[in-house]
Amino acid sequence: KQEVTQIPAALSVPEGENLVLNCSFTDSAIYNLQWFRQDPGKGLTSLLLIQSSQREQTSGRLNASLDKSSGRSTLYIAASQPGDSATYLCAVKNSGAGSYQLTFGKGTKLSVIP
Amino acid sequence: DAGITQSPRHKVTETGTPVTLRCHQTENHRYMYWYRQDPGHGLRLIHYSYGVKDTDKGEVSDGYSVSRSKTEDFLLTLESATSSQTSVYFCAISGGLDEQFFGPGTRLTVL
Repeated sequence: KQEVTQIPAALSVPEGENLVLNCSFTDSAIYNLQWFRQDPGKGLTSLLLIQSSQREQTSGRLNASLDKSSGRSTLYIAASQPGDSATYLCAVKNSGAGSYQLTFGKGTKLSVIP
Repeated sequence: DAGITQSPRHKVTETGTPVTLRCHQTENHRYMYWYRQDPGHGLRLIHYSYGVKDTDKGEVSDGYSVSRSKTEDFLLTLESATSSQTSVYFCAISGGLDEQFFGPGTRLTVL
């Protein structure tokens, strides 16, 4: 059974810092990996999708990398802003049986201090 | 934002009553999903649909049923609500086995 872990559970940084959020998964037979952002009381906003054949994806100040063989992904946020404060969730979609299902990590709660 | 709405957005009900949550999409996507989000468990898949009248179970399907009679609507029914079903429910859609887009959620409280 796929398991997804996000460490740390919470992170507090001063505004302007570059930061890295980590995601690890136990089964490397994945179809893709998706990073989401969730604001308190809100739904999930898709940030980046990385297919299993890709190594990284970029969107603005965000860069996500994928190392499928080691079961790891990182989300890099450049020049953090208070508006980046939210919970960031990583989710993987397995290939093969059960490929419709996303398995989520429990998230990293990010606070960017002005 | 993907065109996904959920109704109701908030509901309080009593144990043993039936409850139906609705997800509506305007994207004409083939796949629709129901998840629940609970502290300590994260998001878990309840049921999903891969077409009209085509549905299957997810990780935590016990106590839930679904129906999809039109492409745009996916209903989640709790036949007899229990306190353990107090949660936030999210609907998601995707065009294929790719990016999923989530709705705003429904907060359900079962007393």
